[in-house]
Formats: sequence, C-alpha cells, structure tokens
Amino acid sequence: QKEVEQNSGPLSVPEGAIASLNCTYSDRGSQSFFWYRQYSGKSPELIMFIYSNGDKEDGRFTAQLNKASQYVSLLIRDSQPSDSATYLCAVNMKTSYDKVIFGPGTSLSVIP
Amino acid sequence: DADVTQTPRNRITKTGKRIMLECSQTKGHDRMYWYRQDPGLGLQLIYYSFDVKDINKGEISDGYSVSRQAQAKFSLSLESAIPNQTALYFCATSDGYWETQYFGPGTRLLVL
Repeated sequence: QKEVEQNSGPLSVPEGAIASLNCTYSDRGSQSFFWYRQYSGKSPELIMFIYSNGDKEDGRFTAQLNKASQYVSLLIRDSQPSDSATYLCAVNMKTSYDKVIFGPGTSLSVIP
Repeated sequence: DADVTQTPRNRITKTGKRIMLECSQTKGHDRMYWYRQDPGLGLQLIYYSFDVKDINKGEISDGYSVSRQAQAKFSLSLESAIPNQTALYFCATSDGYWETQYFGPGTRLLVL
C-alpha cells in the first residue's frame, strides 16, 4: 500500500458545482495534513492545513479529516475555472523523524 | 520579495556535466528540502536538512549531493548529469512543527 493515495483523475466538474477530492494515508500516527494546489509548471501552494478530526473551512474550501478511517478530503464549493489545477495531498508522518509524504495529486478541471 | 528563491530557473546541460542548483530562503526556517517532480507524478524527496549540520538522504538521492552552506542556503548538485534527471526541481522550507512546506518557484532542468 502506498503511503498517501489519491484518485489520479482527471476530475471534471461544471462551473459552480462542488468538487470533492479524496486522500487516504497508511500511517495511523500521522498528525498533520495538507492540501496544496499546483498549476501546471508552477510550485505547489498551500491552500488548507488540518490536524484535528472534523471539518475546517476557509472561504470556498473545506478540509475534512477522519483519523479513524485514515482519510482526508477537500471540498471546493462554487468551483471556478481558476480552480483548475492539480491538488496534492500531503501527510506529516511522525515516525522516527518528521516526514512529509505527498500523494500523486488529483487533476481537477472546472468546465465553464 | 519571494521567501524562497531558486537559481537558475531554467537550465539545459549535457550528459556528464556537473551542475548546481541553488536555493535561498528568508523565512528563518531551519528545515530545508529538495524535491524532484516528473510530468504527471508527485513530488519525490531527494535530500533534506533539519539544520546546518544535519543532512539526510531522501527517497531518490542516488546521483545527487547537497551542501547546506548556512541556515538560509541549501544547494543541490548533480555530479554527472544523465538524461533521466530531466525534471522540475523544487526547494522547500518548513516550520519544523506541523511541517507546512513552503516552496520555491522551481528549476526546470533538461539534460541532453
């Protein structure tokens, strides 16, 4: 099992819809979880960070964490064409040292 | 000014040449990282450094070396470049607690 898994996509949603991105991870001891957005050829930029079970909302973005089920999701409400990008899930697995593992990313396309 | 800078931004080199990619940061973070990204793939960790005297290999360190000249500077060298090292290279820093990663703009490397 890979340490951090995501649906590779591409995921296509119409403008104004809700985009749902999912991520699962293997290490139950993981403590912090991140969603990064990456436009083609650009560097990843942090959009959400969560460390407690439940939901965390920031504008149109909501991160959901369920440690018992070992998954973290990202919801994008009122999707806009500018949200079209690859979304990387990252997990801080505190094993013998701090180790951040990135998933392969999910490509999102918002259709006008 | 950008918090994490990388030079050069683009580089074309020939097989067998030694090249160096440089990274500087003004965030005051002790932790610095070098990642490689291939088209359609996630981020792979090459080397990481938790302070000036602490340097560690990542998942794919073969063919690479690093130097941490100061808290703010972390350089990546390709000792003898080969075509399959053609990729996008990112430097990142982290805050050392939750491990939020802050990325530089990337260096696009082409090895002929």
